[in-house]
Amino acid sequence: DTAVSQTPKYLVTQMGNDKSIKCEQNLGHDTMYWYKQDSKKFLKIMFSYNNKELIINETVPNRFSPKSPDKAHLNLHINSLELGDSAVYFCASSQTSRTPLHFGNGTRLTVT
Amino acid sequence: AQRVTQPEKLLSVFKGAPVELKCNYSYSGSPELFWYVQYSRQRLQLLLRHISRESIKGFTADLNKGETSFHLKKPFAQEEDSAMYYCALIGSGGSNYKLTFGKGTLLTVNP
Repeated sequence: DTAVSQTPKYLVTQMGNDKSIKCEQNLGHDTMYWYKQDSKKFLKIMFSYNNKELIINETVPNRFSPKSPDKAHLNLHINSLELGDSAVYFCASSQTSRTPLHFGNGTRLTVT
Repeated sequence: AQRVTQPEKLLSVFKGAPVELKCNYSYSGSPELFWYVQYSRQRLQLLLRHISRESIKGFTADLNKGETSFHLKKPFAQEEDSAMYYCALIGSGGSNYKLTFGKGTLLTVNP
């Protein structure tokens, strides 16, 4: 069974659209994350949730809104997509905020 | 503020040669350091963490607090080691820990 699964794997959309990426983990972890990997392969944290509560919110445009309906799920909704949003978005989870992260396979978002 | 620096964006070695991927960090307290690896078309995965002091796939990394470094080493590189390697740090202070990644080093092991 996949430990951290995110859908879709690929997402191609036009500027101005709204899209969502879903993430689920079956590891029983308390903490979940969204990371963005840009074209230069640089990884940057966007958000972190612990037991459905937002604990880290980096300087991300408010067009990005995470939602955690329960501790096994952390979805990412993006409004009014821009060209610069094109990247690979990784979901991850960890038992606590100080233990190693388990990553999903990533969602490659392309905004045209 | 915490920062992780990987000075080499690209590193190319021949099979059987020793390899060292450099990582330096900046953090005022006692950090926890990790190495993550991303093979082509695969997810990021943990390679090793400094508190485990173990060798994974022949790789080792020693935390040098004096030099604030956590270099990743392997005595004899293999072609299957070709991947993107990220050094990462978690700080020990505050209630909200954040894993900060370096910019990554792409290792290519040539036959």
